Amino acid sequence: GAVVSQHPSRVICKSGTSVKIECRSLDFQATTMFWYRQFPKQSLMLMATSNEGSKATYEQGVEKDKFLINHASLTLSTLTVTSAHPEDSSFYICSARAGTSGNTIYFGEGSWLTVV
Amino acid sequence: AQSVTQLDSQVPVFEEAPVELRCNYSSSVSVYLFWYVQYPNQGLQLLLKYLSGSTLVKGINGFEAEFNKSQTSFHLRKPSVHISDTAEYFCAVDSGYSTLTFGKGTMLLVSP
Repeated sequence: GAVVSQHPSRVICKSGTSVKIECRSLDFQATTMFWYRQFPKQSLMLMATSNEGSKATYEQGVEKDKFLINHASLTLSTLTVTSAHPEDSSFYICSARAGTSGNTIYFGEGSWLTVV
Repeated sequence: AQSVTQLDSQVPVFEEAPVELRCNYSSSVSVYLFWYVQYPNQGLQLLLKYLSGSTLVKGINGFEAEFNKSQTSFHLRKPSVHISDTAEYFCAVDSGYSTLTFGKGTMLLVSP
């Protein structure tokens, strides 16, 4: 099946710094990419949806200035957590879809962010 | 709006026993339905999906699910589970609002 790769899988950063997480679709062109956040033992919470070449659409309650999403190409989207704080520590998962609704959405392996 | 309900947060079962994980959805339009599995500290892997056609869908690892439009359900089944099936299972619906809506997940715990 299609492959979506996330990097890094784990990252530790100091409070106040920024960290970037990359999401790549390896064998298909992802017209739409999604970023989720998952707290321990909970479901996925959609943070934002991004279409290649346009601004991301953020879900209600997600700070767009804190969680910067860039989808510069059909195979790469990035999530930058700016001025990170310990409460931003979480598991972040990206996913990608080729085409439109109904096409399978493939997920990356996830990235553990720990802010100390 | 669409929503997904997974009634069981945790399902304990013995190895080689059958299992059913329940999923009900609500949507005002036609939907596409998915089951994903998440192993500890990993992303989600697609188990199976229903887009159209036969209501009985077979997926990977011996899982299958049946779409029941009248009951708005998409229950996941496996006739004989293995220890390695221990994981979190998420039901999701896509009704054209650009992304998936997930249920809260069901933890399948398989013991010897």
